[in-house]
Amino acid sequence: AQSVAQPEDQVNVAEGNPLTVKCTYSVSGNPYLFWYVQYPNRGLQFLLKYITGDNLVKGSYGFEAEFNKSQTSFHLKKPSALVSDSALYFCAVRFTGGFKTIFGAGTRLFVKA
Amino acid sequence: GAGVSQSPSNKVTEKGKDVELRCDPISGHTALYWYRQSLGQGLEFLIYFQGNSAPDKSGLPSDRFSAERTGGSVSTLTIQRTQQEDSAVYLCASSQGGQGNEKLFFGSGTQLSVL
Repeated sequence: AQSVAQPEDQVNVAEGNPLTVKCTYSVSGNPYLFWYVQYPNRGLQFLLKYITGDNLVKGSYGFEAEFNKSQTSFHLKKPSALVSDSALYFCAVRFTGGFKTIFGAGTRLFVKA
Repeated sequence: GAGVSQSPSNKVTEKGKDVELRCDPISGHTALYWYRQSLGQGLEFLIYFQGNSAPDKSGLPSDRFSAERTGGSVSTLTIQRTQQEDSAVYLCASSQGGQGNEKLFFGSGTQLSVL
C-alpha cells in the first residue's frame, strides 16, 4: 500500500541550530515528493519538491531536502533554524502515473530563541 | 481570483443535517483535491478530480460523502446526515495538473462543526 510516514510528532530546536524533519514513504514505483508548511492561522504553503535528478533539492525560506531512494526517505533540513520557522510541516507523496497525493501526519516544529 | 477560494469559512450544523462546502480553484487548474484535517491530525485525502477523467473517490470515508465538479471548475463537497466525527477543517487544493508533479495550492479551508 502507498503510504507516507512522519515519525516525529514534534521537533524542538534552538535558534541557530540545524534542523531535520523526517519523512519516509512506501511505494511500488517512483514517487514525486513534496514538503508543505502550515503557519499558525495561515493556509498550507508549498516549500519544495523532488521530481528527478539531483537528490538534494532547495526550496523556500532556506529549506532543503534530500531524497534517498535506498532508504525511501525525504528528510527536510535547514542549516540554521529561525524562531519564525516554527510551524506544522507536512511531507506529501504523489506516485508517477497518477495525481493522487497523500500526506503524512505532520510534524510540529518549535524553534526556541 | 488569485487563489483557491472556499466557502463558507465556518459552518456550524446539527447532527443529521446535510452540508455543502464549495471550492473555487485557481483559473486554468485542471486538478482539484479535497482533504480533511481533524484537530491534531494530518491531512486525510478524500477525492481528486483531474480534467475530464473519472474522479478518484478512494478516500471518501463513507457513502454520506460525495463531491462534484461542474464544468471543470467549481467543486462542491456534500456531507449527508452529518455526524459529530465529521467535525474537521475541509481543505480544497488545485494544481495545473499537467505532468502530475505540480505543486498544490490550498484554500483557507472550511471549519465544519457538527453539534
